[in-house]
Amino acid sequence: GAGVSQTPSNKVTEKGKYVELRCDPISGHTALYWYRQSLGQGPEFLIYFQGTGAADDSGLPNDRFFAVRPEGSVSTLKIQRTERGDSAVYLCASSLGQGITDTQYFGPGTRLTVL
Amino acid sequence: KQEVTQIPAALSVPEGENLVLNCSFTDSAIYNLQWFRQDPGKGLTSLLLIQSSQREQTSGRLNASLDKSSGRSTLYIAASQPGDSATYLCAVRPGNRDDKIIFGKGTRLHILP
Repeated sequence: GAGVSQTPSNKVTEKGKYVELRCDPISGHTALYWYRQSLGQGPEFLIYFQGTGAADDSGLPNDRFFAVRPEGSVSTLKIQRTERGDSAVYLCASSLGQGITDTQYFGPGTRLTVL
Repeated sequence: KQEVTQIPAALSVPEGENLVLNCSFTDSAIYNLQWFRQDPGKGLTSLLLIQSSQREQTSGRLNASLDKSSGRSTLYIAASQPGDSATYLCAVRPGNRDDKIIFGKGTRLHILP
């Protein structure tokens, strides 16, 4: 079956611009996660949705970052006034949302480059 | 604050050898530990998940162990193959109600043909 998909696969933008990154989770998965992976680092948690609501947004680095999931399926991560330090691979994952034993399935990521 | 450390950061071994990747975590109160594989330009693939009550999990040539009290896990790869070349990430689900996963920085493994 279809896995988690993310678009675009690559995004190059200029400092100060606004970007949107999209995640399509596995059908039927109620939980959705965003992580950020900088070069040479492991993924770092950004935000977690259960359904339409953000259950935990403690990983968002500042108020330039926010994410939505209006219908409880597709999610969009939005970054305002991008900075060079935002360059990273942004990973999305989804799970059934049945609790702590859930397995998270990851998408291929969006590589964001801020010039 | 939970921190996950992986040693070594990079490893090159000849094809056919057995090898061990190490992971340590600072807070032993975890719900589970997971090993992932990451190929360049690809997402993460879950290899093995060990619940906190378990000591090890096996899948094919892979065996992962967990010693929760000492905060350690190892991933053993038997009879390594060039196709095993990838980055291996260790991750823990913290011992609270958070659903996030905390990752180590990974071990970049290169199997020499």
